[in-house]
Formats: sequence, structure tokens, C-alpha cells
Amino acid sequence: DADVTQTPRNRITKTGKRIMLECSQTKGHDRMYWYRQDPGLGLQLIYYSFDVKDINKGEISDGYSVSRQAQAKFSLSLESAIPNQTALYFCATSDSKRVDRDNEQFFGPGTRLTVL
Amino acid sequence: GESVGLHLPTLSVQEGDNSIINCAYSNSASDYFIWYKQESGKGPQFIIDIRSNMDKRQGQRVTVLLNKTVKHLSLQIAATQPGDSAVYFCAEKTSGTYKYIFGTGTRLKVLA
Repeated sequence: DADVTQTPRNRITKTGKRIMLECSQTKGHDRMYWYRQDPGLGLQLIYYSFDVKDINKGEISDGYSVSRQAQAKFSLSLESAIPNQTALYFCATSDSKRVDRDNEQFFGPGTRLTVL
Repeated sequence: GESVGLHLPTLSVQEGDNSIINCAYSNSASDYFIWYKQESGKGPQFIIDIRSNMDKRQGQRVTVLLNKTVKHLSLQIAATQPGDSAVYFCAEKTSGTYKYIFGTGTRLKVLA
């Protein structure tokens, strides 16, 4: 969805480096999410935020941190990257105010991260 | 996005035929289900959803069937087109929770 953008789209880094992945949305949605996708596995939730001052851990938050700088921006950081964090990372948004469609998530195009 | 689909089951369908993609969900308390389409190099895209108080819902060329007895969900695509080639996966959710459980997906290949 073009309304949800992620930067960078591809990144190769080395073990121990700090990496930040950024997500911006122009949809005006209040809720934002970070997922990772690995071959053979379903999407796994890393962190989610229901509002600017609300940050919550998902199922695989260890080794990651997030910042919700504004309603439209949600960044994911890897403080010290390790090879098993090599994956596709997706940002998503949803709108809690949409009647009957508040569960629908809109995904960004993804960031392919490789940690050597 | 190709590496995501390396280990996925594949369904090959002739162009113009109907496709049926299946999903077994895990949580009997789940009451909301979604089908997503993910094309190579792109993020998942919402196709259709269904709540547990329904057993069938139709969209444009797509139908979702829900069988709660056996915890099974299917996506039917009518008159499959080349643009339907993608990975399709289901997701389940329970009301009042934030958590979606995503399936691993099926790769649909449309043969000309």
C-alpha cells in the first residue's frame, strides 16, 4: 500500500551494528505494528503501538526496540544486530475508528535486512 | 520477497479455472479471519475477511468459506488470472486481543 512507506527497502549490515528501520504512513491511522517474516513461518509481531504514547511488546520483541515519534511514524531499532535477525520486516497500520473494519491492517512494502 | 516463499506448498492452476486455497486455523476462540495476498517484493494485501458468525462471504471473484467445526478456512478464486499469482495466507484473531496468528501461506501459480 503506497500510503505506508518503509525505508530502507534493503539493508546489509554486520553483526553488532545498530540498525534503524523507519515506517511512515499518510493514512491517518492511530495503530501501527512491526512484523518480521521468515521463510516457512507466518508473520510474527515484534512491537505494536495504539497511539503515540502507547508502546507494547509483541511475541518476539527481544533484541528490538521501537519509537513512535508521531502518529505517522514508527521506527524499529536493532541495537546490536545478529545474523538470526536476517528477515523481511513489515510495518502495518490500522484504524481503530473504522466501523466493522478496525481489524484490517495495511502493510508497507517491507525491508529486507541481512545481517552478516 | 522470493525467499519468503521457498518452502511453501504450491498450487498450480490453469488460467480461467477456479482456485481453492485452504487454511487450517489453530485457535477455536478465534472469531475473525482474514485472507491476504502477497506478491513478490510487496507487503501483504487484504483480500477478504469473515467473522465467526458467518460461514460464507463473497467478494469480487473471491469467496471465503469458514467451517468452525473442523477449524478450516478456504479461499476460492473464480476464473483465476495471471495477476492472481502470489502467496496467499490466512490470519485469525480473537476479539478483544491485539494478536493475529498468521498462517505460512500457499503459493498460487497461474499457468497460461
